[in-house]
Amino acid sequence: NAGVTQTPKFRVLKTGQSMTLLCAQDMNHEYMYWYRQDPGMGLRLIHYSVGEGTTAKGEVPDGYNVSRLKKQNFLLGLESAAPSQTSVYFCASTHSGQATVRAQHFGDGTRLSIL
Amino acid sequence: RKEVEQDPGPFNVPEGATVAFNCTYSNSASQSFFWYRQDCRKEPKLLMSVYSSGNEDGRFTAQLNRASQYISLLIRDSKLSDSATYLCVVRKTSYDKVIFGPGTSLSVIP
Repeated sequence: NAGVTQTPKFRVLKTGQSMTLLCAQDMNHEYMYWYRQDPGMGLRLIHYSVGEGTTAKGEVPDGYNVSRLKKQNFLLGLESAAPSQTSVYFCASTHSGQATVRAQHFGDGTRLSIL
Repeated sequence: RKEVEQDPGPFNVPEGATVAFNCTYSNSASQSFFWYRQDCRKEPKLLMSVYSSGNEDGRFTAQLNRASQYISLLIRDSKLSDSATYLCVVRKTSYDKVIFGPGTSLSVIP
């Protein structure tokens, strides 16, 4: 049982390049999330999904797109990378169980640098 | 005002000390509350959920005050391994979004 797996773990891009970050979970969770974490800013929600085929914007969605074609996968795309998108990206998932215990399971993170 | 605010820290405490972290949230309709810990360059991991009546897990005690929109985490008998950043997390009512606080850094010193 791998939990939440993010690929790649590290990547360096040039400004203007595009790339896709993959998040895969094997826990049959309904909800999936993409966050970015920057020094002094905490975790900020980029986009999230409450089920296969659905996505919604979080706090900082600009410059990113997402897709949830399969329940177990949540893809985060950068169409034209900018230096401001240099960050650590975390994917998380959670089961739609009782509200009081719906904790999130995180992947190891992807460290992305845009030059 | 940020939706979730925490003590700025950092907290530097000796081994064996008791340390308390505070967290306030702005959305009175928030339903679920958690404390996560995050080690340096690692992913956040759930430490404990916070229940209305307060709850304890070993050396860790969490309290919730809905009237004041305030959450606390108490760590007794601090260990070196407790050194980490502690994140206060609040779940909003719609679509299960969660809001993370900025975190409070704890260093336990020998």
